[in-house]
Amino acid sequence: EAQVTQNPRYLITVTGKKLTVTCSQNMNHEYMSWYRQDPGLGLRQIYYSMNVEVTDKGDVPEGYKVSRKEKRNFPLILESPSPNQTSLYFCASSWTGGEQFFGPGTRLTVL
Amino acid sequence: GENVEQHPSTLSVQEGDSAVIKCTYSDSASNYFPWYKQELGKRPQLIIDIRSNVGEKKDQRIAVTLNKTAKHFSLHITETQPEDSAVYFCATFNQAGTALIFGKGTTLSVSS
Repeated sequence: EAQVTQNPRYLITVTGKKLTVTCSQNMNHEYMSWYRQDPGLGLRQIYYSMNVEVTDKGDVPEGYKVSRKEKRNFPLILESPSPNQTSLYFCASSWTGGEQFFGPGTRLTVL
Repeated sequence: GENVEQHPSTLSVQEGDSAVIKCTYSDSASNYFPWYKQELGKRPQLIIDIRSNVGEKKDQRIAVTLNKTAKHFSLHITETQPEDSAVYFCATFNQAGTALIFGKGTTLSVSS
């Protein structure tokens, strides 16, 4: 089954404790992206990757890192999480310029 | 950069009525306009999209219209049903084609 998976789905953590949210897709898509969704602000792009080893900042990259060592995986790293990073996070993948397929979401709470 | 404005932010209709959601965009080079539906607690899913070489596209009760001159596109849902209740997002690519820029969403409520 074609899908995008994310883990964990829910996470409660404390300020400053490094965490990684994994994202994996099995559709051989070149393009992958991370978004955060906050009430009233819609979906805002954090980082994206056009292909392996090619990543770039989106609209709200501060406090986040990503890597793309393999085509299927695109982890999101928060090296020192802060409460303003409490949000719902979505990973997405697509062929370049095409329909984006979203993962199930990760609800992160930073205390 | 590209900016997408979406209206209204909330929309309440009676079952069977039509619903229309409008988006305007700023970059005249935009050529791909998807609409996503997000049910409560779920991921956004594409429901319909249109490319700039056509003015209208229909899929059963859903249609999208595009006016490139005025730089706006609209989602039309006819004969609404309670299961249409969700948040709807419009989007278009930024100038570089590297990111989908989303509107802030419209919460549609269909009451029976």
